[in-house]
Amino acid sequence: TQLLEQSPQFLSIQEGENLTVYCNSSSVFSSLQWYRQEPGEGPVLLVTVVTGGEVKKLKRLTFQFGDARKDSSLHITAAQPGDTGLYLCAGNSGGGADGLTFGKGTHLIIQP
Amino acid sequence: DSGVTQTPKHLITATGQRVTLRCSPRSGDLSVYWYQQSLDQGLQFLIQYYNGEERAKGNILERFSAQQFPDLHSELNLSSLELGDSALYFCASGDSPSNTEAFFGQGTRLTVV
Repeated sequence: TQLLEQSPQFLSIQEGENLTVYCNSSSVFSSLQWYRQEPGEGPVLLVTVVTGGEVKKLKRLTFQFGDARKDSSLHITAAQPGDTGLYLCAGNSGGGADGLTFGKGTHLIIQP
Repeated sequence: DSGVTQTPKHLITATGQRVTLRCSPRSGDLSVYWYQQSLDQGLQFLIQYYNGEERAKGNILERFSAQQFPDLHSELNLSSLELGDSALYFCASGDSPSNTEAFFGQGTRLTVV
């Protein structure tokens, strides 16, 4: 069974601070995705990383896929209250035929 | 708006009953995925359909079943409901069986009392 461990589970910081959340596994994934979920809503896809060592930027968010494709990180620069939400990483072992394996998420609160 | 429509948004039912959740995928998407989200387990993959055929099974109980119709909408049937089945059920769609980028609906919150 493939597992994705996310850390920290909860994070509350002040507006303007930087933060990094992590997604780790002992398994190799062919691709890894990050989603953000707000209360009462479905997860929204932020990014997909495919190549080991890949770095993708989405405005103030930087996503990195580990060289061995077993882990990933999400770094947010100058966090804003609008970044508040549940951040989920999800991995696919290959072929898309197994659905996605999700981590339990990082609950992020950005205080004004 | 992801383009994925789920109905109903909320459902309250008694133990032992049967319910049907409905999902309309994004226009053009042939893949439909069903996920269950609970506080202790997080998001769990249940089942995938692609163009009407079952493609992959995850942690789906035998009391649960799904199907995808010729117009590509999908239904998830949950029977002999137990208190522990209370959860958020999400449908997601994608454009191919190998592309795992999934676009999620807003979910159906099922409460079993």
